[in-house]
Amino acid sequence: AQSVTQLDSQVPVFEEAPVELRCNYSSSVSVYLFWYVQYPNQGLQLLLKYLSGSTLVKGINGFEAEFNKSQTSFHLRKPSVHISDTAEYFCAVSAMNRGKSTFGDGTTLTVKP
Amino acid sequence: DGGITQSPKYLFRKEGQNVTLSCEQNLNHDAMYWYRQDPGQGLRLIYYSQIVNDFQKGDIAEGYSVSREKKESFPLTVTSAQKNPTAFYLCASSRDRAGVAGGEQFFGPGTRLTVL
Repeated sequence: AQSVTQLDSQVPVFEEAPVELRCNYSSSVSVYLFWYVQYPNQGLQLLLKYLSGSTLVKGINGFEAEFNKSQTSFHLRKPSVHISDTAEYFCAVSAMNRGKSTFGDGTTLTVKP
Repeated sequence: DGGITQSPKYLFRKEGQNVTLSCEQNLNHDAMYWYRQDPGQGLRLIYYSQIVNDFQKGDIAEGYSVSREKKESFPLTVTSAQKNPTAFYLCASSRDRAGVAGGEQFFGPGTRLTVL
């Protein structure tokens, strides 16, 4: 079994400031990790994923995430946010060799001018 | 263009009626999923299917039914037994063989169901 905890339900931040959205996971087997973004009344889009290799993963829209196996974390970061980054962000984990994923409860990122 | 389509975008239902939400994909993916999303909550898995003619219950299957007669289609029926069906419903697909594609899921645009 696996689980995902997103540590912040809401993150308000000013435009051009840096942001970090935190995600911890637990699993008894090796996993793949994902961050998805959801804009209002839309489906989810993949931001980035960690499968193997370098622990620093770069995604779309200037986001990046770092996989930390010892701390079982996969935090999402962006050095300078824009108003258009306002959205819901979901962290997800899937066991290797299985497509079924477990999602966190989401973090609402609100970027203020 | 490859992708997932869901229809309708908005659906209204009277209490006691069954309704069917459509989900079609042309990505040639083996696995398909249905999620329910309520305000302030994450995604909860209703049903998933890893191959044609086979599907499994997710975490909140009661009051829902599915079929998977074709690889590209995975319709969801919300029955009258579902006590609180008003929600946003998302369909997704994945290649299923995580070693090939890493297990990422591709999502449709969603259907918002409202019970009147």
